[in-house]
Amino acid sequence: DAGITQSPRHKVTETGTPVTLRCHQTENHRYMYWYRQDPGHGLRLIHYSYGVKDTDKGEVSDGYSVSRSKTEDFLLTLESATSSQTSVYFCAISVTSGTYEQYFGPGTRLTVT
Amino acid sequence: GQQVMQIPQYQHVQEGEDFTTYCNSSTTLSNIQWYKQRPGGHPVFLIQLVKSGEVKKQKRLTFQFGEAKKNSSLHITATQTTDVGTYFCAPTGTASKLTFGTGTRLQVTL
Repeated sequence: DAGITQSPRHKVTETGTPVTLRCHQTENHRYMYWYRQDPGHGLRLIHYSYGVKDTDKGEVSDGYSVSRSKTEDFLLTLESATSSQTSVYFCAISVTSGTYEQYFGPGTRLTVT
Repeated sequence: GQQVMQIPQYQHVQEGEDFTTYCNSSTTLSNIQWYKQRPGGHPVFLIQLVKSGEVKKQKRLTFQFGEAKKNSSLHITATQTTDVGTYFCAPTGTASKLTFGTGTRLQVTL
């Protein structure tokens, strides 16, 4: 599983509060990604990172920000959570050789009430 | 990004029956990956297809990439209950980004 952990695994928060999700990897992979998964939509890319302090937007980035100050940590922040951000959030890394496949963390289930 | 359609959205088969899911794109793809996600789990990489007309097999799973590189399929022969899950296709873009299809959920009953 490429040593990927996510925290917290479950969170319930109220509308309007800030929330930060953490993704931690132990194998110094350069590329990291945040996805959200909702019924009927598959997985959609929120933001990704191609190195320390190098990040870019994905297809559903509105309302989210990210930071990567260390290779091993990629943080996803919901500045002011809304009910539409209730979802399962997955972090992933990409190996940078061979098939460039992605390995996913276990996910964080976020509920915004 | 590269949009892909997956069909069917859901299929329910009896154990031992075959199963196929299709992934279609309106544009030519450079390559495509397939992932499986078990209920309550996270996506797991299965395979990558790169060449036009490529066929790859993994035990009972057969993956194909179309000649025009606009479609791909996953066929499972003689399904087992362990095959239950959602199967996603995902073309690869720059920075190894993936664009996931909506997935096909497979249910297998005895």
